[in-house]
Amino acid sequence: EDKVVQSPLSLVVHEGDTVTLNCSYEVTNFRSLLWYKQEKKAPTFLFMLTSSGIEKKSGRLSSILDKKELFSILNITATQTGDSAVYLCARSGNTPLVFGKGTRLSVIA
Amino acid sequence: NAGVTQTPKFQVLKTGQSMTLQCAQDMNHEYMSWYRQDPGMGLRLIHYSVGAGITDQGEVPNGYNVSRSTTEDFPLRLLSAAPSQTSVYFCASTYSYTGELFFGEGSRLTVL
Repeated sequence: EDKVVQSPLSLVVHEGDTVTLNCSYEVTNFRSLLWYKQEKKAPTFLFMLTSSGIEKKSGRLSSILDKKELFSILNITATQTGDSAVYLCARSGNTPLVFGKGTRLSVIA
Repeated sequence: NAGVTQTPKFQVLKTGQSMTLQCAQDMNHEYMSWYRQDPGMGLRLIHYSVGAGITDQGEVPNGYNVSRSTTEDFPLRLLSAAPSQTSVYFCASTYSYTGELFFGEGSRLTVL
């Protein structure tokens, strides 16, 4: 069974801190790695990564993929309370997305 | 612009009852899937479909049944509800296995 492992499982930071969330995967037929943010309802899409070493950026969030070492990181700089959420990573292959258990990020003022 | 629509949003069942969670998408996506989400467990795949008439099992298929008679609809049936099926269920669709998943708003099911 293909696994996606996220770490840490939970994290508490203060506003303004920078955080790094980790996602490792073990898979054959890998196609892409996706990051989602989940607040109270359905996950919302953040990034899709297919190539190693190319950073994707959206505002204070950025992500990069290392296909040789089979991991990805999601960075959030200058965190705000609105960043509090569960962050999910998922990998695609020959079947629908396989998700990790998520990292619960809490940003306190 | 509806996207993926799930109904009902909330449901309470008694053990042994059956029910169907409805899912419809208007994006003409071939790929549809059902996930369940339990605290601390991420999203686990129940069943999926790669097109009308084609379905397959995911990681946790036991106790659930699906069919895909049209591109738009992908209902999930609970045959005989058990307390272990208390969960939040998400239906999702996509144009490609490599692409972004589009989620419904979720259905919270409680089995007493």
